Order: sequence, then structure tokens, then C-alpha cells
Amino acid sequence: EAEVAQSPRYKITEKSQAVAFWCDPISGHATLYWYRQILGQGPELLVQFQDESVVDDSQLPKDRFSAERLKGVDSTLKIQPAELGDSAMYLCASGPGGYNEQFFGPGTRLTVL
Amino acid sequence: AQSVSQHNHHVILSEAASLELGCNYSYGGTVNLFWYVQYPGQHLQLLLKYFSGDPLVKGIKGFEAEFIKSKFSFNLRKPSVQWSDTAEYFCAVNAGTPLVFGKGTRLSVIA
Repeated sequence: EAEVAQSPRYKITEKSQAVAFWCDPISGHATLYWYRQILGQGPELLVQFQDESVVDDSQLPKDRFSAERLKGVDSTLKIQPAELGDSAMYLCASGPGGYNEQFFGPGTRLTVL
Repeated sequence: AQSVSQHNHHVILSEAASLELGCNYSYGGTVNLFWYVQYPGQHLQLLLKYFSGDPLVKGIKGFEAEFIKSKFSFNLRKPSVQWSDTAEYFCAVNAGTPLVFGKGTRLSVIA
């Protein structure tokens, strides 16, 4: 069964450092999502791509976060510089688009010290 | 902005007990509704979804949910829980906007 791949699974960094997360969606899925999930909360959307274009990044802290999906396939989410409050699980999901089901990857657990 | 409320933060049940987890949303228009589950150490996966039609939706592993439009609710039910149902359950709503998740309900099933 096809799955969304994410790496790394865990990342520990010091504040003010740069971090990057990678996501490979399920083949053929045009829509890709990055979510942030703080412990005890539900996932919150950071950015949504349709192919290589950003559809929604209204909740992305653009002063320090960036995301790209250059060829409309895999995607990278970057944080520079990382802050203590960025410690969270970063989830990637993909889907065929529209209101259909989203398929989630295992996530990257980020700890900022 | 639309919001999703899950009333129970942590539910503890004995095996074979019946389960009902509440979910209410704030959006008044046409909605698509989902329940996702996250088992310990695993990623989020879809339990069931409602787009239209029969308001009683059946999902995997014996779960079902009922959409009550007048109450803005989409409660999750299972007649008899098992130890393996221990997990975090998230209700989510899509209304022509990004998917909005509730804060989740942690279910612990004890023998």
C-alpha cells in the first residue's frame, strides 16, 4: 500500500539553527499539505500545495518558515531560525485534491533546545 | 472561522463497553466530515467520512458516526470497544476551506 514518506522522523536542534523536513507524497496525488501538531492539539494547516503552486499559506509564519514543491512531487519545509515554540510534530499529507481524504505520513518530531 | 469541538479530552472505558465521542462544528454551510484515528506510534489514518447521503456512516473496525445537521454534530460510536481501540481520535471538518481538526480525544481501553 502506498504511503506518504517523511524524513527525518526525529530532529533535535538548538534555537536559531536552521532545520528542514522532507516529504514524498503518494504517487499521483496532486495536493500536498504540511501541518503542525502541538502536543495535546489537533493538526493545524501550515501550507497547501496544488501541484507546484501554493494554494493556502495563510497560517505559515513566513518570517521564518518556507515551503517548496518545485516539481510538483516531493516537498521541503524549512524553518530558519528555529525558536523554542517551534517544538512540535510536523505532518505531511497528500490527497487527490478537493474534499477527499488526506493520507498522512508518520511525521517529524522537532525538539528545539 | 470554522471551529471543531471535541468535548472529551480523555475517555477511559473497560473492554466491551460502548463508546460515543462527541464532535460539534461551527460552520453553517455544506460540510464534509471526517474522523481520523492515531494509534500509539502510528500515523493518522482515516476512520470514516461523510460527504452526503445517509447520515449514518460506517467506517473501519466497527466504528460508525451519525451526522445530525440540526445539531452541527458528527458523533463517533462503537457498540463494544476492544483494547486495540486505545488511540487518539480526531474529528475534522472541511467546508470549502482547509481541513480543520478538533483537539482530539484520547481513548484508553482497559481490560
